[in-house]
Amino acid sequence: DIQMTQSPSSLSASVGDRVTITCRASQTISTYLNWYQQKPGKAPNLLIYAASSLQSGVPSRFSGSGSGTDFTLTVSSLQPEDFATYYCQQSYSLPKTFGQGTKVEIK
Amino acid sequence: EVQLVESGGGLVKPGGSLRLSCAASGFTFSDSSMNWVRQAPGKGLEWVSSISSSSGYINYADSVQGRFTISRDNAKNSLYLQMNSLRADDTAVYYCAREPVYGWGTSCFDPWGQGTLVTVSS
Repeated sequence: DIQMTQSPSSLSASVGDRVTITCRASQTISTYLNWYQQKPGKAPNLLIYAASSLQSGVPSRFSGSGSGTDFTLTVSSLQPEDFATYYCQQSYSLPKTFGQGTKVEIK
Repeated sequence: EVQLVESGGGLVKPGGSLRLSCAASGFTFSDSSMNWVRQAPGKGLEWVSSISSSSGYINYADSVQGRFTISRDNAKNSLYLQMNSLRADDTAVYYCAREPVYGWGTSCFDPWGQGTLVTVSS
């Protein structure tokens, strides 16, 4: 199985901050990498697919990059509604594994 | 509007069975691969099972292989998960999710249903 490791596991940030979350795969996955946002008590929501493609309706302050084994999710200017948990997920091979999550909290 | 609505969760004793359903609307269900993903309380996301549009390809996580069965009824726009021999560590919110596939073969989970809670406890 491909292991997905996110860092950090949690972070504190202020509104307006630039935030970067990293996801590393245990083997190369090309750009078969997706990012999701999950708020408490809600289902996950797709933000980025194929490493860098912004899902329709997602604000442009979210961006993704990377290929191979190392990927990043960046929020250019954190907004109040962005405080949530973020997950990466590989779609390269079965089982389709997720990272452990990164919780973004208010500073 | 694309929508997925799960049902069938509840409290079940260890060793018991439960059948989850997912009703789809707003898209061509019969053209879409579908998945179940679960989340134990306070934990991360775990892919459980997938089924292709015509049910020709079915896959399971090792943790549920031999105990869970995924199926679909395209005439009813519905996805199912039959869960047998349930254990305490199957306790989780179970989400159904569509799996769109893009031109170069990559896929993702979008959208997700609201989830249904399964609690396995005596």
